[in-house]
Amino acid sequence: DQQVKQNSPSLSVQEGRISILNCDYTNSMFDYFLWYKKYPAEGPTFLISISSIKDKNEDGRFTVFLNKSAKHLSLHIVPSQPGDSAVYFCAALVKTSYDKVIFGPGTSLSVIP
Amino acid sequence: EPEVTQTPSHQVTQMGQEVILRCVPISNHLYFYWYRQILGQKVEFLVSFYNNEISEKSEIFDDQFSVERPDGSNFTLKIRSTKLEDSAMYFCASTGGVPANYGYTFGSGTRLTVV
Repeated sequence: DQQVKQNSPSLSVQEGRISILNCDYTNSMFDYFLWYKKYPAEGPTFLISISSIKDKNEDGRFTVFLNKSAKHLSLHIVPSQPGDSAVYFCAALVKTSYDKVIFGPGTSLSVIP
Repeated sequence: EPEVTQTPSHQVTQMGQEVILRCVPISNHLYFYWYRQILGQKVEFLVSFYNNEISEKSEIFDDQFSVERPDGSNFTLKIRSTKLEDSAMYFCASTGGVPANYGYTFGSGTRLTVV
């Protein structure tokens, strides 16, 4: 069941440059999309979300873009910092009462100093 | 900043044994969840819990699994008879409002190793 896909298992970016993490989904019923960051030996940490009725949401260095017609979203981090090195999970949910979140497989980002 | 606390951080158990994974969600949160991540695989939903009952569960959450909120602060996941394939990181999460806006707050996880 691959409702949320992240086709790049890893990504390396130079410090100061832009990191672009991509995500595709198959379920057109998703109402919200979220990005989580995960360091080793820690739980995922919520970063940013976007409603399906919007096409962009920005929070500091993080911007998420949504293209509903293509069922594609991306997370932009600019400028990238070494502390951003982590696994990034794209996630999605249908706005039921209980908000079950479906995660993608993750992309491991390495920001090189 | 409030945290979700999970204990133990690592549990090793023999196949067929019962295990209880413990979680203390953030005190004013209302929705509680268990997720797991098998090594190298994605984070998978197991169960959600609201108003003292299971609100939704995945096909992974079979009769061997149960959850409980025994005393208003702890939230436990019990596996009655562990199998080798239950080895994974188990994450507890909670939220007080709409996860779409605030996301979940996850604990640091319990690594369960079944031998």
